[in-house]
Amino acid sequence: AQSVTQLGSHVSVSEGALVLLRCNYSSSVPPYLFWYVQYPNQGLQLLLKYTSAATLVKGINGFEAEFKKSETSFHLTKPSAHMSDAAEYFCAVTPSGGSYIPTFGRGTSLIVHP
Amino acid sequence: DTGVSQDPRHKITKRGQNVTFRCDPISEHNRLYWYRQTLGQGPEFLTYFQNEAQLEKSRLLSDRFSAERPKGSFSTLEIQRTEQGDSAMYLCASVLPSRSDYGYTFGSGTRLTVV
Repeated sequence: AQSVTQLGSHVSVSEGALVLLRCNYSSSVPPYLFWYVQYPNQGLQLLLKYTSAATLVKGINGFEAEFKKSETSFHLTKPSAHMSDAAEYFCAVTPSGGSYIPTFGRGTSLIVHP
Repeated sequence: DTGVSQDPRHKITKRGQNVTFRCDPISEHNRLYWYRQTLGQGPEFLTYFQNEAQLEKSRLLSDRFSAERPKGSFSTLEIQRTEQGDSAMYLCASVLPSRSDYGYTFGSGTRLTVV
C-alpha cells in the first residue's frame, strides 16, 4: 500500500522568495517519487522524479527535491519564485516494481504575489 | 515523440447519455493508465493496461465504465448512462517501465460535464 500527504492545500509566496512544497509518503516497498505541475485546464507535466539514484533531484524550471528516507519526505523547493510558477503541484509515489501505479496527493496550489 | 493525445478536450453531455473518450499514448510505451480528477483533488487511478491486457481496475470504476486497448496502441474509456457525479477531468498517461527514467507522460485530459 502507498499514500501521499501534501501539507498545505495552498502556499503563498512573494515573487523572488523561496518556494517550499511539502510531501510525505508511505510505501511498503522502495518507492519512486514524482512531482508534477498542472496549469488550469491542462494535464500534468513532470517536474522531476526520484528513481533510487541521487537523493537530490533537479528538475525543470529551477525546481529540485530531496528524497529523505528517514523522514519519508520528498519536499519540492525553488530558491526564487517567479510569477509563472503559480499553478497546482502534485506529489506522487509509485512502487519500484509490479504495477507501477502512481498514487497522487491532493495537490498544493502555489500562489505567487508580485 | 508526439506526446500523449486525448480526444475530445471537452465534452458536455446530458445525464443518461453514453460518452467515449480516446487516448493515444506515446508509441513505444506499453503501459497506459486512466485517471479521474475532480475539482480540487489529485488524480485518482481508474485502470491500466499493459499492451492490450487490462491488468487492474479501481473500485472507482463502476459497471457503467469500460475501457479497452484493442491492439495495444490507443485506448478508449466509455461511460454509459452518465450521471452528474461523473463530471470530472479524465486523464490518460503512458510509460515504458523498462526504461530507467519511469517518466509517466500525461495527456491534456478530457473534461466531461454532465448536465
